[in-house]
Amino acid sequence: AQKVTQAQTEISVVEKEDVTLDCVYETRDTTYYLFWYKQPPSGELVFLIRRNSFDEQNEISGRYSWNFQKSTSSFNFTITASQVVDSAVYFCAHSINTGTASKLTFGTGTRLQVTL
Amino acid sequence: DTAVSQTPKYLVTQMGNDKSIKCEQNLGHDTMYWYKQDSKKFLKIMFSYNNKELIINETVPNRFSPKSPDKAHLNLHINSLELGDSAVYFCASSQANRNEKLFFGSGTQLSVL
Repeated sequence: AQKVTQAQTEISVVEKEDVTLDCVYETRDTTYYLFWYKQPPSGELVFLIRRNSFDEQNEISGRYSWNFQKSTSSFNFTITASQVVDSAVYFCAHSINTGTASKLTFGTGTRLQVTL
Repeated sequence: DTAVSQTPKYLVTQMGNDKSIKCEQNLGHDTMYWYKQDSKKFLKIMFSYNNKELIINETVPNRFSPKSPDKAHLNLHINSLELGDSAVYFCASSQANRNEKLFFGSGTQLSVL
C-alpha cells in the first residue's frame, strides 16, 4: 500500500525566509505520480505540481521549486522568499493510475505560517 | 465557469437525518471522486466513478451511497447521519487515462449536531 509522510506538522517563518516542506513516500509501484496541493485558509485545494516516477528533473516555478529523489523516496518543496500569501496547508500526494481512476493518497499536510 | 462545482457549500443537520451533496463537472472528464477531509485536515478517498461505473470504494460505511447519473455528475447521499460524519467533503474529477491531476470542487462543510 502507498504511504505519504509529511513529518513537519507546522512550520512558522518570517516573510522573505526560504522554507522547505518535506515529503517522503512509500510505494511498490514502478509507475506512479507525485503531487503537491495547497489549501489556503479559504479551504479550496489548489494544484501546484505533478511529477511522474520517470522524471527526476527538479522543477522551478517562480518562487517555488521541487526536488524529486527516487533514491530517498522524497519529493520536497521549497518556497524561496516566502510571503504572507503562502500561508496555507500544503499536501503532498502519491497516485497510481489504474487506467480508469487516479487514486491519490495524501500526506497529513504541513501547515505553513508566514508572518511579517 | 466553475470547473467542478458542488452544492451546498455548508450543510448543518441533526443526527439521524438523510442528506445529499451534489457535484457537477464541466471539464469533460471521465472520472469523478469523493474525498473526505476530517477535522485534522486528513484527506482520504471515499469513492471513484469512471463513466458512471464504481471503480473505487474505500471501505466506506454503506450509509454513504454515491450516485452517478452521467459522467458529469456524481452525487453523495448519506443516510442516518452520525456525529462522526462531520467533515469537509470534496468532489473531484480527472481524465484518468491521461494521468492528469485531479480538479477539486470547493468543498462542502457538513456539520452533524
